[in-house]
Amino acid sequence: DADVTQTPRNRITKTGKRIMLECSQTKGHDRMYWYRQDPGLGLRLIYYSFDVKDINKGEISDGYSVSRQAQAKFSLSLESAIPNQTALYFCATSDLTSGRQDTQYFGPGTRLTVL
Amino acid sequence: RKEVEQDPGPFNVPEGATVAFNCTYSNSASQSFFWYRQDCRKEPKLLMSVYSSGNEDGRFTAQLNRASQYISLLIRDSKLSDSATYLCAVMNTGFQKLVFGTGTRLLVSP
Repeated sequence: DADVTQTPRNRITKTGKRIMLECSQTKGHDRMYWYRQDPGLGLRLIYYSFDVKDINKGEISDGYSVSRQAQAKFSLSLESAIPNQTALYFCATSDLTSGRQDTQYFGPGTRLTVL
Repeated sequence: RKEVEQDPGPFNVPEGATVAFNCTYSNSASQSFFWYRQDCRKEPKLLMSVYSSGNEDGRFTAQLNRASQYISLLIRDSKLSDSATYLCAVMNTGFQKLVFGTGTRLLVSP
């Protein structure tokens, strides 16, 4: 079983709709991240959370919000989706307590299309 | 200037060739460096961390040059299965977040 899972894997929606992308992990990691990937722009950090009570904006947080419901779950919401939010979204985790605290492990991604 | 820069490629090489990629970073305080591999439409997966002394894992060798602020990845005896996009990532002290390059695409042909 995958250690980091994302749902849905693919989603097509219309402009103005509210969308939630979910991420779950069984790795027991304390840190979780949301990225989006666009051709030519690479991975860009949207939000990150170092524990359940900690939420931080990344470089492109406008138009997004997150919720860290538990150590294992980190959700990304688009309150009112717009076409330029069409992208591949990745969740990632890392572990502060292990010797490899810098290493991030990625989920399989969610391909979101906003029409 | 981007914080982390890579040549997007593609690098087209025949099987068995040796190929090298560089990745430059702008923040001299950067502390940790990584190479990730990403197959088309899949998630990035850690290929190797890059240590100051350089490190090798089979056909892959990573080097760090702090003076010139770049990291490199050398792949020897290229395989068809090495075809992918290689992302470099840099972590700065204190902030604990990774900054990724846009990736270098490698195509290995028979």
